[in-house]
This record gives sequence, structure tokens and C-alpha cells, in this order.
Amino acid sequence: GQNIDQPTEMTATEGAIVQINCTYQTSGFNGLFWYQQHAGEAPTFLSYNVLDGLEEKGRFSSFLSRSKGYSYLLLKELQMKDSASYLCAPMDSNYQLIWGAGTKLIIKP
Amino acid sequence: GAVVSQHPSRVICKSGTSVKIECRSLDFQATTMFWYRQFPKQSLMLMATSNEGSKATYEQGVEKDKFLINHASLTLSTLTVTSAHPEDSSFYICSAYTGGDADTQYFGPGTRLTVL
Repeated sequence: GQNIDQPTEMTATEGAIVQINCTYQTSGFNGLFWYQQHAGEAPTFLSYNVLDGLEEKGRFSSFLSRSKGYSYLLLKELQMKDSASYLCAPMDSNYQLIWGAGTKLIIKP
Repeated sequence: GAVVSQHPSRVICKSGTSVKIECRSLDFQATTMFWYRQFPKQSLMLMATSNEGSKATYEQGVEKDKFLINHASLTLSTLTVTSAHPEDSSFYICSAYTGGDADTQYFGPGTRLTVL
């Protein structure tokens, strides 16, 4: 079956670094998306990884290991506005998104 | 966890035809369903909010006569793309909102529409 696993909730301190892990099992693979979603708003695209390795984009980086079915989102220099849910969503062989439940990230001063 | 399904997962149609996409919440009742459109490597664009038993609320710039939304029951919402054009080709994603204490939005797998 298809399955996504990411932590339900994480807490971090302003200015710190946090890593949100995601493991997945899908029927085929056509890349993995990370989205940020603030309460009451539509998800915002953060990254798309299709090849192994780390992709850095400002304070956010995303890593993918296809052989391990593993990805992580790394957030640096945390700001209060980073408090949100982070959704991991791999795409299967039919180009269908498989959504994780999301990780609620709480940033404390 | 809660599951949201979409049907069809992929559809190819000719210009001028209409296409209906279904969004179902399989194990919970959704008071509200959302319809999104995604372009490659871009954020989900909210098209409309669908509340059971009432008219959908469309976002600015979304033609309500072109994208017909019906939320007939607490587990089903449909999006009909009328008189489809090639520029309507996109990935359409729905989500269902539980409301109440659960207060969580669950996303469907998406429907890839290609208009020839």
C-alpha cells in the first residue's frame, strides 16, 4: 500500500534549526513535494525533489533519498512566522499526490 | 486517517466538452470542501470553497460559470469544467475539511486534466 509517515507535531525555538522527516512508500515515484500551510490558508509550495540529494532555497532545504524512501525539510534561522503545518507529498507512478498528515511546527520565542 | 478520493485520476478530453471531477470523503463527513488548481512547481491555487447545501464561494478571477461546483452531500463535491479549453489543462486537487474539534483539512490525490 501507499503510506506517508511524518511527525504530528514539533516544537522549536526562534533562531534555531529544525528538521522535519518524512518516510514514504508509494507505487512508483515521480518526485516529492513539500508544502507549508498556515491555518485557514491554502498550502504554499516549498520544494520539489525528484533526484537524490539536497536542494537549498534560502532558509529552507529539502533532501531526498529515493532508495530509502526518505525526505526531510530543513528550516534554518527559524522565525515566528514559520509556525505552520508542513506537508510531505510524494507523487506516485500515476502522478497522484499521496498526502502525509502534516507536521505542525510550533515556534517559541 | 481520513481519506479523500478523487475520480477520475486522469482524464483527456477534446476542446469544447465538459468534464466532471468527483471528490469524496470516504470515512468522515466534510462540511466544507475546497477545490484547488496546481500548475507545475507552483503553490496550490484555491479556486473555490464548497459548503454542503449552499452555493460555492469562488475566488477572484475564477469563472463560476465555467467551473461548476456542486456539494450535494456531506461526502461528495463535484467540479465540472464546462466547455474545456487547452488552457484548462492542469492538476485539480480537492480537500475536505472536518471542522469542529478535528479541524483538519485532508487532500485528495488530484485529477490530471488534459484538454486537446
